[in-house]
Amino acid sequence: GNSVTQMEGPVTLSEEAFLTINCTYTATGYPSLFWYVQYPGEGLQLLLKATKADDKGSNKGFEATYRKETTSFHLEKGSVQVSDSAVYFCALSEETSYDKVIFGPGTSLSVIP
Amino acid sequence: EPEVTQTPSHQVTQMGQEVILRCVPISNHLYFYWYRQILGQKVEFLVSFYNNEISEKSEIFDDQFSVERPDGSNFTLKIRSTKLEDSAMYFCASSEQVSSYGYTFGSGTRLTVV
Repeated sequence: GNSVTQMEGPVTLSEEAFLTINCTYTATGYPSLFWYVQYPGEGLQLLLKATKADDKGSNKGFEATYRKETTSFHLEKGSVQVSDSAVYFCALSEETSYDKVIFGPGTSLSVIP
Repeated sequence: EPEVTQTPSHQVTQMGQEVILRCVPISNHLYFYWYRQILGQKVEFLVSFYNNEISEKSEIFDDQFSVERPDGSNFTLKIRSTKLEDSAMYFCASSEQVSSYGYTFGSGTRLTVV
């Protein structure tokens, strides 16, 4: 079945460091891909998305590019801030099932001053 | 910015009791969802709801669960007879169009079954 795999955390970075969180997926067809973020004590927020191959989603300095050839959607940010500390979830929406989003296990990021 | 509102934020219930988790989706959204997140584990799909009926449900969503949109604004999840393993964070979400556009999630209800 369809699935999402993320790099295991927790990830700890110093402020202004470069961030990469790897995400790969298994899916039939052409799923839509997402990154959601969960700040401490809060719900899930859509961070960015890409709906077709080679699309780049971006928001708040974060970027991810839909790579069909490597089935990947890695999240990157050039310079992280303490306020970026959160759990990041990679997710996909199946092409053949419009109603369901499948989430990866989440990667916890801590940014220290 | 429009929000999905969930109440209560935390509910404690005794095993075997019925609970109703409430959600107010964004007003012009047409697709509604419930997900759950057991502590430290994945976010799992429970059910989707469109046009006043369930459009898809997972194997988790057994006969103990039901959803309803009783009055055109609220969207509720009922668990008929709670079990210890139902303890989780339950998230409601809504979407203007199909899920490929991304959801707006509520902040969740933490359900603790004792």
